Amino acid sequence: EAQVTQNPRYLITVTGKKLTVTCSQNMNHEYMSWYRQDPGLGLRQIYYSMNVEVTDKGDVPEGYKVSRKEKRNFPLILESPSPNQTSLYFCASSFWTGNGELFFGEGSRLTVL
Amino acid sequence: SQQGEEDPQALSIQEGENATMNCSYKTSINNLQWYRQNSGRGLVHLILIRSNEREKHSGRLRVTLDTSKKSSSLLITASRAADTASYFCATDAGNSGGYQKVTFGTGTKLQVIP
Repeated sequence: EAQVTQNPRYLITVTGKKLTVTCSQNMNHEYMSWYRQDPGLGLRQIYYSMNVEVTDKGDVPEGYKVSRKEKRNFPLILESPSPNQTSLYFCASSFWTGNGELFFGEGSRLTVL
Repeated sequence: SQQGEEDPQALSIQEGENATMNCSYKTSINNLQWYRQNSGRGLVHLILIRSNEREKHSGRLRVTLDTSKKSSSLLITASRAADTASYFCATDAGNSGGYQKVTFGTGTKLQVIP
């Protein structure tokens, strides 16, 4: 089954404790992206990747890191989480040929105390 | 930055009625997509319309695109309670590298009352 898998789905952590949210897709997609969703603000792009070892900042990259060492995986790293990073995070992937259809994971709800 | 802005922010209708949601955007686009999100779940792609298309249908969905007005509308006909969800437009404006940059609006929350 074609899918984008995120882990963990739910996480409560404390300020400053490094965490990684994993994202994996099994569709051989070149393009992967991270979004955060906050009430009233819709989805905002954090980082995206066009292919292995190719990443670029989205609209709200501050406080986040990503890496793309393998085509299927695109982890989101919060080196020193802060309460303003409390949010619902989504990973998405697609072919980058311009068709544009994004496949989303089920989301990771992160709370930073 | 938010490219798309949906209108209305919330919409409540009776089952069987039609639901219309609008999306306005700011810059030229390659295509525009509509997504649906059930509460707290991942987004699901509904339909894509390219910049050279004016109308597209998929089942009970009808999407229009007016590039001169930088706006799109999503019509759901004969709505069902199961259509209750948030609906987002997403624009692909591309960038200098030729890569797609998909930007989402803030969404319309649709409630269909049985």
